[in-house]
Amino acid sequence: QVQLVQSGAEVKKPGASVKVSCKASGYTFTNYYMHWVRQAPGQGLEWMGIINPDAGSITYAQKFQGRVTMTRDTSTSTVYMELSSLRSEDTAVFYCARDQGVIPHQAGSFDYWGQGTLVTVSA
Amino acid sequence: EIVLTQSPVTLSLSPGERATLSCRASQSVSSHLAWYQQKPGQAPRLLIYDASNRATGIPARFSGSGSGTDFTLTISSLEPEDLAIYYCQQRNNWLYTFGQGTKLEIK
Repeated sequence: QVQLVQSGAEVKKPGASVKVSCKASGYTFTNYYMHWVRQAPGQGLEWMGIINPDAGSITYAQKFQGRVTMTRDTSTSTVYMELSSLRSEDTAVFYCARDQGVIPHQAGSFDYWGQGTLVTVSA
Repeated sequence: EIVLTQSPVTLSLSPGERATLSCRASQSVSSHLAWYQQKPGQAPRLLIYDASNRATGIPARFSGSGSGTDFTLTISSLEPEDLAIYYCQQRNNWLYTFGQGTKLEIK
């Protein structure tokens, strides 16, 4: 069965960086795009970007351009999201989510989600 | 950036009633629209993709319709477990956005 297992909760100081991992299993990792989504406490969902685990190509949401880096490791079927220059407003749960379409087709809908990783930014 | 506006913000209905949730896009997204259900403390769950297709395992009481800029999620007969926040989401080339959500309360 498809599973996306994310790394554990983090507490960071303002100005620091955080790197969240998402390990995929139960399917061919390089066949599906992966997205990252942020959700601040009590707020809605915010799309951060998409990575092609096969080619490594990435598109970031404009809001996060320059502060976010998405990477992948095909040997471990893991994608990573690193957010830098953290501020208190970045306190949120971060989700990885698989695109439903098989590469190169982009379905645009997310059929499997990780459990979420809470990142707390506090002095 | 395409903005998705959901209405109403909150919807309060009784079990067995019909729920109609709306999502309007600031420009056409064709049929590239999905709906998600998020229960407290859980990750979102895909309900509908490509505007009107039910995802695997989703009960038949959930249906989606629309194209272009106006979309609707309908829950034909509410169950108590449908208490959740519902989000629409669009794809435009390589950029995605979510609506702000509709909170569904069960009386």
